[in-house]
Amino acid sequence: NAGVTQTPKFQVLKTGQSMTLQCAQDMNHEYMSWYRQDPGMGLRLIHYSVGAGITDQGEVPNGYNVSRSTTEDFPLRLLSAAPSQTSVYFCASSYYEGTTEAFFGQGTRLTVV
Amino acid sequence: DAKTTQPNSMESNEEEPVHLPCNHSTISGTDYIHWYRQLPSQGPEYVIHGLTSNVNNRMASLAIAEDRKSSTLILHRATLRDAAVYYCILRQYYGQNFVFGPGTRLSVLP
Repeated sequence: NAGVTQTPKFQVLKTGQSMTLQCAQDMNHEYMSWYRQDPGMGLRLIHYSVGAGITDQGEVPNGYNVSRSTTEDFPLRLLSAAPSQTSVYFCASSYYEGTTEAFFGQGTRLTVV
Repeated sequence: DAKTTQPNSMESNEEEPVHLPCNHSTISGTDYIHWYRQLPSQGPEYVIHGLTSNVNNRMASLAIAEDRKSSTLILHRATLRDAAVYYCILRQYYGQNFVFGPGTRLSVLP
């Protein structure tokens, strides 16, 4: 049981480049989400999905796109990378109900130069 | 989203119990109290959660006040590996996002 898998673990981008951060889970969870964590800060929600075909914005969605074509995968796309997007990105998944725990990936450390 | 308030940092000696407090005075009847921790350079990991009654698992205990306006995460014997940032989060029964505050940074002294 792999849990939540994020790829890549590290990435360096130049300003203006685009890329996709991958997130996959094998627990059949309906709920998936993306967070960013800046140094010394808590996690802030970027986008989330409550099921295949359904996505919504979180607290800091600008500059990011998501889609959810399958239950397992929830990729995060950076459209035109900016230095302000330098951060550590975490993907999480859980069942929809608040009674259950969430599982987090190990993170992608992104640097935009 | 109902908010939580935690101390910024706490210290504990190794092998002693640790009580991490969390205030959530605006909690609603359908909010579950979740605790997560984040070890250095890792993603958050689940610790424990509860609704009204105190809860125990292999990692910790959760003590919930009778009025549910506060809770305490109890680590029975702190180890060096317990040094982490601990987050207290409220989540409603159906969905809703996990909203992370700054958490409490726990230092464990040998």
